[in-house]
Amino acid sequence: KQEVTQIPAALSVPEGENLVLNCSFTDSAIYNLQWFRQDPGKGLTSLLLIQSSQREQTSGRLNASLDKSSGRSTLYIAASQPGDSATYLCAVPGYYNTDKLIFGTGTRLQVFP
Amino acid sequence: DVKVTQSSRYLVKRTGEKVFLECVQDMDHENMFWYRQDPGLGLRLIYFSYDVKMKEKGDIPEGYSVSREKKERFSLILESASTNQTSMYLCASSRGDRVLSGANVLTFGAGSRLTVL
Repeated sequence: KQEVTQIPAALSVPEGENLVLNCSFTDSAIYNLQWFRQDPGKGLTSLLLIQSSQREQTSGRLNASLDKSSGRSTLYIAASQPGDSATYLCAVPGYYNTDKLIFGTGTRLQVFP
Repeated sequence: DVKVTQSSRYLVKRTGEKVFLECVQDMDHENMFWYRQDPGLGLRLIYFSYDVKMKEKGDIPEGYSVSREKKERFSLILESASTNQTSMYLCASSRGDRVLSGANVLTFGAGSRLTVL
């Protein structure tokens, strides 16, 4: 059974720092991996999707990498800003039903001025 | 602007009440999902629908049922609400393309926070 883990559970950094959020998964046979952002009390917004054939995807100050063989993905945020404060979740498709996503528990990020 | 709309942001119900959570999407998506989100447990899939009148149990379907009479609407029903169903409920939708085409990007609603007293 696929399990998705995110470490750390919470992170607090000063504005301007570059930071890395980690996501690991137990079954490396994934089709893709997604990173989401969730603001307090809100739904999730898809940030990046990396296909299994890709090693990374970039969107603005965000860069996500994927290493299937080691069961890991990282989300790199450059020059963090207070507006980046949110919970970040990663998710992979289920093996038998790829329309369903399995989510990690998230990393709660706070960027202070 | 395309969106997934959950009709109620906050609800307070009493134990034993029947609760309806409604979700509507305007993207003509085939797939619709109901998740619940609890601290420390993350998002857990309750039910999933891949077409009108079609449904599939997720990881935690007990105590819930769903209805999808129209493509754009997916309802979650708590037949007899209990305190352990106090949670944030998130609806999402996605295209029905198979994952090999690079689809299954979910669009989420804003969430419905349910408190059962």
